[in-house]
Amino acid sequence: GAVVSQHPSWVICKSGTSVKIECRSLDFQATTMFWYRQFPKQSLMLMATSNEGSKATYEQGVEKDKFLINHASLTLSTLTVTSAHPEDSSFYICSAPRAVETDTQYFGPGTRLTVL
Amino acid sequence: QKEVEQNSGPLSVPEGAIASLNCTYSDRVSQSFFWYRQYSGKSPELIMSIYSNGDKEDGRFTAQLNKASQYVSLLIRDSQPSDSATYLCAVNKDGTASKLTFGTGTRLQVTL
Repeated sequence: GAVVSQHPSWVICKSGTSVKIECRSLDFQATTMFWYRQFPKQSLMLMATSNEGSKATYEQGVEKDKFLINHASLTLSTLTVTSAHPEDSSFYICSAPRAVETDTQYFGPGTRLTVL
Repeated sequence: QKEVEQNSGPLSVPEGAIASLNCTYSDRVSQSFFWYRQYSGKSPELIMSIYSNGDKEDGRFTAQLNKASQYVSLLIRDSQPSDSATYLCAVNKDGTASKLTFGTGTRLQVTL
């Protein structure tokens, strides 16, 4: 089956630093990827849609200058949390639909970010 | 009103029983509906998708959709302890799995 990977799986950083999270589709090309955030005991909230070769589309309330998204190739999207603060601590999950399976989004394993 | 609503639970069922998970959604134009299972600390995994009114069965799982009532449910037959997880209902307005709106999930506990 299709696989989506994320790196790193967890990261601890100091307040004010930037953190980059990678999302890769391993056996299919993904022109679109999605970035979600999940706080403890809450549901997944869509942050943005990453589009290969063009600007990401951000959901209402998500700061595009704080959460930088780059979809540089058909298999890689990156999310950079800039000037991270403790309130950014969360579980970040990416997903990608495979073009031939429009009813399936493949989720990455997630990245646990802790900002001290 | 939340777009996708679920009872947070926990829903506790004995091993071997049927677990019934419910979800309501607010947007009538929603067309595609999904059930995901999420274990603690892990990302969601797809269990079933459903697009048309009625029942859809896959092994021990049955999804039920009633668009008139804006209601979708998931039945798990012969529940096993390994089914203990949070079940997320997700909805989309088009016929694909893109831009999903998730409910908060129902935590299921299957007891021995």
